[in-house]
Amino acid sequence: EAQVTQNPRYLITVTGKKLTVTCSQNMNHEYMSWYRQDPGLGLRQIYYSMNVEVTDKGDVPEGYKVSRKEKRNFPLILESPSPNQTSLYFCASSPRTSGRSSYEQYFGPGTRLTVT
Amino acid sequence: EDKVVQSPLSLVVHEGDTVTLNCSYEVTNFRSLLWYKQEKKAPTFLFMLTSSGIEKKSGRLSSILDKKELSSILNITATQTGDSAIYLCAVEDGGDMRFGAGTRLTVKP
Repeated sequence: EAQVTQNPRYLITVTGKKLTVTCSQNMNHEYMSWYRQDPGLGLRQIYYSMNVEVTDKGDVPEGYKVSRKEKRNFPLILESPSPNQTSLYFCASSPRTSGRSSYEQYFGPGTRLTVT
Repeated sequence: EDKVVQSPLSLVVHEGDTVTLNCSYEVTNFRSLLWYKQEKKAPTFLFMLTSSGIEKKSGRLSSILDKKELSSILNITATQTGDSAIYLCAVEDGGDMRFGAGTRLTVKP
């Protein structure tokens, strides 16, 4: 089944404790992206990747890191989480490539993160 | 500053009504506008509109892009309770994807 998976789905952690949220897609998509969703703010893009080893900042990259060593995986790293990073996080992938208009994005199921 | 604005923020209608959701945008390098439906889980794709395809229709849903007015509308006719969801508009701005805050639609029986 074609899908985007994220793990964990739920996470409660404490300030400053490094964490990684994994994202994997099995559709051979080149484009992957991370978003956070907060009430009243919609989805805000954190980072995106056009292809392996190519990443770019979105609207709200502060406090986050990403890597794209393989096409299928795009982990989101919070080196020192803070309470303002409490949010619902979505990973998405798309078959689009650089220079071409986007295709629909396929979203993962979401990761609800709470930082106390 | 680049932005995507949706209106209204919320809307309550009764089954059978027709609704129109609005999305306006100001971005530097417009490539496409997308509509998504979000129920209790992840957003699911509805339509993509570009300069070469400014009107899309699927069943009771349709969408139009007005490049002159920098806006789009999503129409839902003969609404059903299953249409209750948050509808998200997103604009591709170069490599960025910028979303509006969404419109929460509630359809009452």
